Amino acid sequence: NAGVTQTPKFQVLKTGQSMTLQCAQDMNHNSMYWYRQDPGMGLRLIYYSASEGTTDKGEVPNGYNVSRLNKREFSLRLESAAPSQTSVYFCASSETVGGGNTIYFGEGSWLTVV
Amino acid sequence: EDQVTQSPEALRLQEGESSSLNCSYTVSGLRGLFWYRQDPGKGPEFLFTLYSAGEEKEKERLKATLTKKESFLHITAPKPEDSATYLCAGGRDYGGSQGNLIFGKGTKLSVKP
Repeated sequence: NAGVTQTPKFQVLKTGQSMTLQCAQDMNHNSMYWYRQDPGMGLRLIYYSASEGTTDKGEVPNGYNVSRLNKREFSLRLESAAPSQTSVYFCASSETVGGGNTIYFGEGSWLTVV
Repeated sequence: EDQVTQSPEALRLQEGESSSLNCSYTVSGLRGLFWYRQDPGKGPEFLFTLYSAGEEKEKERLKATLTKKESFLHITAPKPEDSATYLCAGGRDYGGSQGNLIFGKGTKLSVKP
């Protein structure tokens, strides 16, 4: 019963480096999301994918790109990491997009940019 | 502007001391009011979704209620294992460019034995 799986769990990057956070879900959900969580702030939506083949910007998309590789997988890429991107990143999924469906979260990826 | 505000920021209770957490929201086209529990170093764990004013849902020692402006998470006779951060979030219309859930900052609950 894996649910939503994220890798890596922890990562340290130097400013300007690139990396990709991987996310996979085994619940056959159509919609997937990437959120970030910073101290003293609520979780904020970076990007979401309503269904396979579509992606849309959330509240804080600058500095990120996403790829919906297939129905199961949704990756988040930082092309040129900045210290402001130090955060905890959560991938999530739901059966459909929209507030009427339960959203399930992964365990998080801790990213530090130095 | 859509907004979700939780209070208090932190709450310390003795085991067995009942209390309530508040979530005030202003979300246009609200599509569900969500409650999550988050333990340190973990992802948010789904608790409840409420869809209309007057609705109530219960799970063990927790009961969530909803009005047109607020939601409350009532904790009855809490135990130390209820210690966690409780997150409230409003669901938004898919048609909006902002995406899906807007979260409050959370209430950190500590229950002492």
